Amino acid sequence: DAKTTQPTSMDCAEGRAANLPCNHSTISGNEYVYWYRQIHSQGPQYIIHGLKNNETNEMASLIITEDRKSSTLILPHATLRDTAVYYCIGAGGTSYGKLTFGQGTILTVHP
Amino acid sequence: EPEVTQTPSHQVTQMGQEVILRCVPISNHLYFYWYRQILGQKVEFLVSFYNNEISEKSEIFDDQFSVERPDGSNFTLKIRSTKLEDSAMYFCASTPGQFQPQHFGDGTRLSIL
Repeated sequence: DAKTTQPTSMDCAEGRAANLPCNHSTISGNEYVYWYRQIHSQGPQYIIHGLKNNETNEMASLIITEDRKSSTLILPHATLRDTAVYYCIGAGGTSYGKLTFGQGTILTVHP
Repeated sequence: EPEVTQTPSHQVTQMGQEVILRCVPISNHLYFYWYRQILGQKVEFLVSFYNNEISEKSEIFDDQFSVERPDGSNFTLKIRSTKLEDSAMYFCASTPGQFQPQHFGDGTRLSIL
């Protein structure tokens, strides 16, 4: 699985866009980029994933660079409930879907 | 929206005892997983299960651990002889396809005394 690097923590004002970066320079061609988040000690929650095209769903947008070495998760209008640990994970290829979590980015949304 | 359910939410067990953690995955899902998270640490993969057999397991998943899908709905994790260091949150997850998003339960907090 690809090794990913994320900032330890970020802050964002409520109502503003939160842009969370992730480096995954060792990602292989058949590995997807997944984003999950974990609020307190709840189970991780899926946000979005992509292979090489940019993706958007009701929660977020995912921008993947053309060389696939990095990506950015965008929460367009952050709310206090978006305060969580956000994980960027490269997975796929020959594994059976195993997710390898790093330390993630602690996003704090301020009023 | 269907969800993964785990029981119990909190399990307290004496060291050396056997414990079984239960999960009901989403009904049409085919791939099942267990992860654990020791307090303050990252989420760690334990095992994946597909077509009634283990497809991948981590170094953590030693002979003390076993998984089973005893019927069409439950997916269990058994720890045979618990140790203090087994204290953690245990999360079950399922997905319809191995590259599809995994859906996680809210976890079982296991406390070993």
